[in-house]
Amino acid sequence: QKEVEQNSGPLSVPEGAIASLNCTYSDRVSQSFFWYRQYSGKSPELIMSIYSNGDKEDGRFTAQLNKASQYVSLLIRDSQPSDSATYLCAAERGFQKLVFGTGTRLLVSP
Amino acid sequence: EAGVTQFPSHSVIEKGQTVTLRCDPISGHDNLYWYRRVMGKEIKFLLHFVKESKQDESGMPNNRFLAERTGGTYSTLKVQPAELEDSGVYFCASSQGGQGKEKLFFGSGTQLSVL
Repeated sequence: QKEVEQNSGPLSVPEGAIASLNCTYSDRVSQSFFWYRQYSGKSPELIMSIYSNGDKEDGRFTAQLNKASQYVSLLIRDSQPSDSATYLCAAERGFQKLVFGTGTRLLVSP
Repeated sequence: EAGVTQFPSHSVIEKGQTVTLRCDPISGHDNLYWYRRVMGKEIKFLLHFVKESKQDESGMPNNRFLAERTGGTYSTLKVQPAELEDSGVYFCASSQGGQGKEKLFFGSGTQLSVL
């Protein structure tokens, strides 16, 4: 079992819809979780971090964490074609030592 | 402000050769990390420098990999001799020092192909 699991996708949504990306993790020691966005050939870019149970909202993005279920999600409201990218979920295992999932490819069609 | 810069962006070498990858972190960032993504797999941690000291090198695959950080500035990752399974994208990341929840900035990576 991988430490951080994500569906590889692609997840296809129409423009303006809500994209829901999911991630599960196996190690209960992890306390901090991150979502990175990576465009093809570019660097991973941090878009959300979440440290406590519940929801965290930033603009069109909402991260959700449920430590009891070991589940992290990212909601993207009003999806735009420019949101098309690979979204990487990561758990922190030590100071900024991140364990990544394989990523979910999101495709937003106009 | 310049981001994390990596050189070269692509490298194609033959098995048995040596390759050196370079990373220039954001100026003033004490923490420097190397990560690697091999084909079809997840990005994996290799090692962590705090200034010029290796803080954690638990992810280094074997002794063919040598990382250095001269004077706590740029870092190099040398693979000698390279093997086919070393192919992948090598990412460098940096962050400021301290114990807070500093943001980790990634470079765009070096695509290494070992033939």
